[in-house]
Amino acid sequence: GNSVTQMEGPVTLSEEAFLTINCTYTATGYPSLFWYVQYPGEGLQLLLKATKADDKGSNKGFEATYRKETTSFHLEKGSVQVSDSAVYFCALIGFGNEKLTFGTGTRLTIIP
Amino acid sequence: ETGVTQTPRHLVMGMTNKKSLKCEQHLGHNAMYWYKQSAKKPLELMFVYNFKEQTENNSVPSRFSPECPNSSHLFLHLHTLQPEDSALYLCASSQVVAGGGETQYFGPGTRLLVL
Repeated sequence: GNSVTQMEGPVTLSEEAFLTINCTYTATGYPSLFWYVQYPGEGLQLLLKATKADDKGSNKGFEATYRKETTSFHLEKGSVQVSDSAVYFCALIGFGNEKLTFGTGTRLTIIP
Repeated sequence: ETGVTQTPRHLVMGMTNKKSLKCEQHLGHNAMYWYKQSAKKPLELMFVYNFKEQTENNSVPSRFSPECPNSSHLFLHLHTLQPEDSALYLCASSQVVAGGGETQYFGPGTRLLVL
């Protein structure tokens, strides 16, 4: 079956630091890949997505590239802000499937 | 973000109560989902409705009863819950097309506490 593995948290960084949250996946065929963000007390918001190999999703300064050769979709941001503090979930949907498979989430805290 | 709304946002209920969670999507989607998010556990898919028909019941106890009267509304009826059912219940919707893989959009969730 499909699975998503995220780096263990929590992650604590200083403001303006570079961020990488690793995500690797196992799936048959060509899944679509997503990053969702959950701010404190809220539901999940779609942050970015990529639907085919070598696609780069980007939003709010965050980027992730769909790497089929390494089955990875790592999330990066060049300069994080305090407002980026949240839990980040990597997820996939297999081709021909409607079930979203999530990673366990990575809690990110940015300190001023 | 008001594409998917959920009410109530917070709910406290006793184990003998009956309550319902409501979800409404304003995105014109044809599929809706219920997820459960518990502390320190991965997100769990509970139910999937595609064109108002239930296509997935992920081994959910019968004390949770979903209802999808139309493609815009989804309910989760709750009765005789247990304290371990306390969690954040998230609703999502998507536009399912041939080949699948479409983006799911989430509501803000209902934080449920069972006493």
